Amino acid sequence: RKEVEQDPGPFNVPEGATVAFNCTYSNSASQSFFWYRQDCRKEPKLLMSVYSSGNEDGRFTAQLNRASQYISLLIRDSKLSDSATYLCVVKGYSGAGSYQLTFGKGTKLSVIP
Amino acid sequence: DTGVSQDPRHKITKRGQNVTFRCDPISEHNRLYWYRQTLGQGPEFLTYFQNEAQLEKSRLLSDRFSAERPKGSFSTLEIQRTEQGDSAMYLCASGSGGEQFFGPGTRLTVL
Repeated sequence: RKEVEQDPGPFNVPEGATVAFNCTYSNSASQSFFWYRQDCRKEPKLLMSVYSSGNEDGRFTAQLNRASQYISLLIRDSKLSDSATYLCVVKGYSGAGSYQLTFGKGTKLSVIP
Repeated sequence: DTGVSQDPRHKITKRGQNVTFRCDPISEHNRLYWYRQTLGQGPEFLTYFQNEAQLEKSRLLSDRFSAERPKGSFSTLEIQRTEQGDSAMYLCASGSGGEQFFGPGTRLTVL
């Protein structure tokens, strides 16, 4: 089982739609969780952290279920500019004195006019 | 620009040649990371420095790969005897706490 698994995508949605991405992780000792956004041929950039209580940033809502080892990202009222690949990221202790980020493969979103 | 910078942005080389990439992190960040990303995959961790100490290396980092951060500032990643399978985007990131900030990457093509 891969450490971080995401919906394979791609997701093609019309402007204004609501879209949800799911992610599961295998290491129950994982400490922190994030969603990164990566535009085509660009570097990943932090979109938002994910907290157990759930958190919202404008049109974006992230949720974490530690018992199910499940993370989600909801985008409401999709904009053309939301088109990108969304990476689910888990931070855990590597056992060698440091914390590591483990990335999922990413889910590609295309918002269509 | 005070972000993470990487040089070169693109590198094309022939199989068997050595290549070296440079990363300049955000100046106040003591942690520096190298990742590799291939098409359709997320970034994969390669190695991590805290200041000048290389604290961790992934099993992905074969003996042909070496990384240094001699003064705890910029870092270099060298690949010796490149193979076609080394073709990828090499990303550097820096941080001082939870978040990692990525550079634009060096895209390596091995012919």
